[in-house]
Amino acid sequence: GAVVSQHPSRVICKSGTSVKIECRSLDFQATTMFWYRQFPKKSLMLMATSNEGSKATYEQGVEKDKFLINHASLTLSTLTVTSAHPEDSSFYICSARDTQYFGPGTRLTVL
Amino acid sequence: TQLLEQSPQFLSIQEGENLTVYCNSSSVFSSLQWYRQEPGEGPVLLVTVVTGGEVKKLKRLTFQFGDARKDSSLHITAAQPGDTGLYLCAGVHNQGGKLIFGQGTELSVKP
Repeated sequence: GAVVSQHPSRVICKSGTSVKIECRSLDFQATTMFWYRQFPKKSLMLMATSNEGSKATYEQGVEKDKFLINHASLTLSTLTVTSAHPEDSSFYICSARDTQYFGPGTRLTVL
Repeated sequence: TQLLEQSPQFLSIQEGENLTVYCNSSSVFSSLQWYRQEPGEGPVLLVTVVTGGEVKKLKRLTFQFGDARKDSSLHITAAQPGDTGLYLCAGVHNQGGKLIFGQGTELSVKP
């Protein structure tokens, strides 16, 4: 079946630094990928829709300058958390192919 | 804002008991999906229901889509400790195709 990978699985960074998270579709092409954020024991919140070759579509309340999304190829989308702060600590998950296939997630901890 | 109400949000039962999780909305969905998520991992798709009144079975799990395609339920028979996890319902809205998640149900099955 389809597989979506994420890298890194865990990252710890200092406040003020930027962190890049990669989402790859391993055996299929994905013109659209989705980025979610999840707090402990809570549901997934859609942050943005990543579109290959064009600008991402952000959900209401999500700062596009804070969460930079780049979908440069049909198999790779990246989410960069810029100038990270402790409140950005969360579990970030991407999905592809009609949102049915989710990556394993990236645990971000900002100190 | 479209909401998908999932209940209960927490459920702790003994091995062998039955349980039902509900997912309700005032909106119509073109399809509804159920996922199971374990800590530190991405959600894994269990089933997709598309037709109003549809019932799908996956071993001890029974999924039902309401006739009006506004609600769904997940019934687990004779729960086992291996069923422990976060169960998420998610609906695909007719317009836009975005996946809207319910709040999730944290299930704990004690041996």
